[in-house]
Amino acid sequence: IAGITQAPTSQILAAGRRMTLRCTQDMRHNAMYWYRQDLGLGLRLIHYSNTAGTTGKGEVPDGYSVSRANTDDFPLTLASAVPSQTSVYFCASSDTRKSSYNEQFFGPGTRLTVL
Amino acid sequence: QKEVEQDPGPLSVPEGAIVSLNCTYSNSAFQYFMWYRQYSRKGPELLMYTYSSGNKEDGRFTAQVDKSSKYISLFIRDSQPSDSATYLCAVNTGFQKLVFGTGTRLLVSP
Repeated sequence: IAGITQAPTSQILAAGRRMTLRCTQDMRHNAMYWYRQDLGLGLRLIHYSNTAGTTGKGEVPDGYSVSRANTDDFPLTLASAVPSQTSVYFCASSDTRKSSYNEQFFGPGTRLTVL
Repeated sequence: QKEVEQDPGPLSVPEGAIVSLNCTYSNSAFQYFMWYRQYSRKGPELLMYTYSSGNKEDGRFTAQVDKSSKYISLFIRDSQPSDSATYLCAVNTGFQKLVFGTGTRLLVSP
C-alpha cells in the first residue's frame, strides 16, 4: 500500500451500535488526524495524535475516541452511534518534523450513515 | 468569529476564464496558508502553500496572502474542466494544527 488507507469505504449503522473506522498509513509520519466533513461546515478536527502513544482532542471530540498504539494505525471509535454522526470521515497524516507548514495527506474517506 | 471563513459557492465559469477564490482569517499571528483541492468523493490534496505575505505561482495557479486585510486568494488562469473541484483554504494555527475553510465548489464548463 502507498499513502493512507481507510476502511470501510462506506457503512450504514443503526443508532446505538459501536463502530470502529480504521486508518493505516505507510509513510512513517509521526502525526495523524481524524476529521469529519459536513456540508456547509467543512472539515472539522475530531482527534489527533502527534506521536505513537499520545492523542489529543480536536474541535468536535464528543462521542468519539481514538488510540495510537503504533506509528501506522489510528482507529476512530464511535462507542454508541447517533444520527448526528452521519458524515464523511477523513483520516490524515503528516510529518511535522519535516514540514513547517504541516502538509497533511488525506485518505479516501469513509461515508458513514447512522439511522 | 470563525478562524477561517470561505464562500461556499458554487462558482460556475466557462473554460478559459480566470477564477478567483477567497478566504478571510481572524488571527494576524497565522503564518502558513494553504489551498487544498478536493475532487468529488476523494480526500483533499495540497495544491499550494504560502508563508507570510506575498504571492506564489505554480503553473496556472497563484496563491496570494494579504496580511494587512487577513485575506487569502487563489487565482486560476485559463481554467479547465479538470479544475472542477472543491477548493479549501487552510491556515496553520500553531501546534501543528490546521483549520480549514468550508470549501468553495468550482464548476468549469467546456
